[in-house]
Amino acid sequence: QKEVEQDPGPLSVPEGAIVSLNCTYSNSAFQYFMWYRQYSRKGPELLMYTYSSGNKEDGRFTAQVDKSSKYISLFIRDSQPSDSATYLCATPGNTGNQFYFGTGTSLTVIP
Amino acid sequence: DSGVTQTPKHLITATGQRVTLRCSPRSGDLSVYWYQQSLDQGLQFLIQYYNGEERAKGNILERFSAQQFPDLHSELNLSSLELGDSALYFCASSVVGTSGSNNEQFFGPGTRLTVL
Repeated sequence: QKEVEQDPGPLSVPEGAIVSLNCTYSNSAFQYFMWYRQYSRKGPELLMYTYSSGNKEDGRFTAQVDKSSKYISLFIRDSQPSDSATYLCATPGNTGNQFYFGTGTSLTVIP
Repeated sequence: DSGVTQTPKHLITATGQRVTLRCSPRSGDLSVYWYQQSLDQGLQFLIQYYNGEERAKGNILERFSAQQFPDLHSELNLSSLELGDSALYFCASSVVGTSGSNNEQFFGPGTRLTVL
């Protein structure tokens, strides 16, 4: 089983929709989780990180961790065409030296 | 702009050849990570260096090697290239080399390698 698994999509939504992106992880000892956004032909950029369980909000973005089900989510409110990108979840695992990324979910927001 | 630079942007070479990819981390970052991104495998962690020393190894083939120099720039050497090595290679840097909220990785623009 991979450390982090992510539905590759693609996901296509109309502008203004609420988007839900999800990942599952394998090891209950993992505590830090990140969401990266990657535009076509660019390097990934960090959107948000969360620690342990709960929610973290930043503008239109909310990251959520459910440790009981080993599930991490990223919600995007009022989605914009500029949000069209690939979103990757990641975790440094429990040693911090390895980094495990999901395969990414491709999102298109249609104007 | 993340502050991480990678050269070259594109590289086209033939099977069996050897290439070197270069990365300069952000100013002040001691840790450098190398990743391979292909369509079917996603982003795969290859190797990490921290202040000149190897810190962690991921799915790096024996044909691949890396090093980090005293000025903290890093090079990834790929030898005996195969068609399947065609991918985007990213370098990332961070201030520290362990997990935590301050271990944000900043990614470079990548080197696109095509092996013909």
